Amino acid sequence: AQSVTQPDIHITVSEGASLELRCNYSYGATPYLFWYVQSPGQGLQLLLKYFSGDTLVQGIKGFEAEFKRSQSSFNLRKPSVHWSDAAEYFCAVGAMGSYKLIFGSGTRLLVRP
Amino acid sequence: GAGVSQSPRYKVAKRGQDVALRCDPISGHVSLFWYQQALGQGPEFLTYFQNEAQLDKSGLPSDRFFAERPEGSVSTLKIQRTQQEDSAVYLCASSLGLSGGTEQYFGPGTRLTVT
Repeated sequence: AQSVTQPDIHITVSEGASLELRCNYSYGATPYLFWYVQSPGQGLQLLLKYFSGDTLVQGIKGFEAEFKRSQSSFNLRKPSVHWSDAAEYFCAVGAMGSYKLIFGSGTRLLVRP
Repeated sequence: GAGVSQSPRYKVAKRGQDVALRCDPISGHVSLFWYQQALGQGPEFLTYFQNEAQLDKSGLPSDRFFAERPEGSVSTLKIQRTQQEDSAVYLCASSLGLSGGTEQYFGPGTRLTVT
């Protein structure tokens, strides 16, 4: 069965520091991978997605993620965090022929001034 | 254009009451999804519509949950005889396409609290 693991429940970084949020997935075939961000009281907003091709994908707000098949990982990175990046981040997996998304439990990012 | 909207944004129900949650998807979006997000968890799939057809309701937790999309646009999620374990945020999403790779656009959710 498909599953997504986000091992870090909370992460705190200082403003201007780099960020990496971890995501590991379990799926038999090549998955579609997504990162969403959720601010308080807001719906989920798509940051980026991977379907195929180049394993390093660029997203909005300066985020990027790298698909590593050998590690079943799709970690999210940002070189310099801004205070406005404080939010909850969700990794999700989908698949060709399947319309539903399987989400991880999320990582809450806190940004120190 | 407008995004996905949901109403009400907050709902408090006494145990045993019935509730109805509304979703207005983005105009022209064929696919519509409902997810349940418990506190501190990621969203979990409830059900999927392609136009007016409910193609998958495998995630509905019990027969107290019912969803419909009669004209292929607005959808309603109904919960009968609410229980405390139904307390969660209910998210609606819509997408233009039919495949798993199509971006899903999420609404702000309805926070349901059952007392």
